[in-house]
Amino acid sequence: DIQMTQSPSTLSASVGDRVTITCRASQSIGSWLAWYQQKPGKAPKLLIYKASSLESGVPSRFGGSGSGTEFTLTISSLQPDDFATYYCQQYNSYSQTFGQGTKLEIK
Amino acid sequence: QLQLQESGPRLVKPSETLSLTCTVSGGSISSSSYYWGWIRQPPGKGLEWIGSIYYSGSTYYNPSLKSRVTISVDTSKNQFSLKLSSVTAADTAVYYCARLPADILTGYPYGYFDYWGRGTLVTVSS
Repeated sequence: DIQMTQSPSTLSASVGDRVTITCRASQSIGSWLAWYQQKPGKAPKLLIYKASSLESGVPSRFGGSGSGTEFTLTISSLQPDDFATYYCQQYNSYSQTFGQGTKLEIK
Repeated sequence: QLQLQESGPRLVKPSETLSLTCTVSGGSISSSSYYWGWIRQPPGKGLEWIGSIYYSGSTYYNPSLKSRVTISVDTSKNQFSLKLSSVTAADTAVYYCARLPADILTGYPYGYFDYWGRGTLVTVSS
C-alpha cells in the first residue's frame, strides 16, 4: 500500500494568512493526488485533483502543486470559511489511500 | 443537481453483516463517465476507501477489507450497495457513498471523489 503522510497535523493561522499543507507519498504517484476539505459533521469536499487542477466552484485562493512524492496545498489568503480539516488522497494505484488529515485552526 | 443518499441499519451486532444502499438522484448510475464508491470514517479519525463499482459491475476493493466486502449495483433502481461481513467494533464509522470520474476510453476510474453523500453513522454493538 502507498502511505500518505501530511504535515503538520495541526496548523494555527489567522484570517488573511497564506498557509501551506504538505503531503508526502511513500512512493511516486505521478500527479495522481487530490485534496479535500472537511468540516465537522459534513462530508469531505473535493478541492483539487490531479495535483493542481481546481475543482469547479472552488475559490481560486486554493492551489495545489507537486508531483512524484511531495505535494502541497496552498491557501493564499485564509478566509473564515476555510477553517476545517484537509485531507490528501492518492489514486495512483487502484487502491486509493488518504493522508491522516491536517486541522486548520484559528489562531 | 446530483445527490447521493445512504440508507440502512444504524446499529449492527458484532459478527453480523453491515448492509448499506446508496440512492443516486439527479444523474444516472449507468453513465460510462463515472464509478461509484464507498468510504468510511471512524469517529474522530481519518478516511478509508472501501471499494468502487462501475455500472457494468466491475469492482475494485481495498485489499485490507477485500475478504469481507461486496459492492453491487442495481441500475434499474439507480442504486449501489455495500455489504461488510463479520463486523466488529472497529467497523463503527460514518459510511459515505461517493462518485468517481472515470476515463471513458479505458473504463478505469480516475480514483478521486467529486460528489459525496452526507454519510451515515453505523455502530457495531451488541
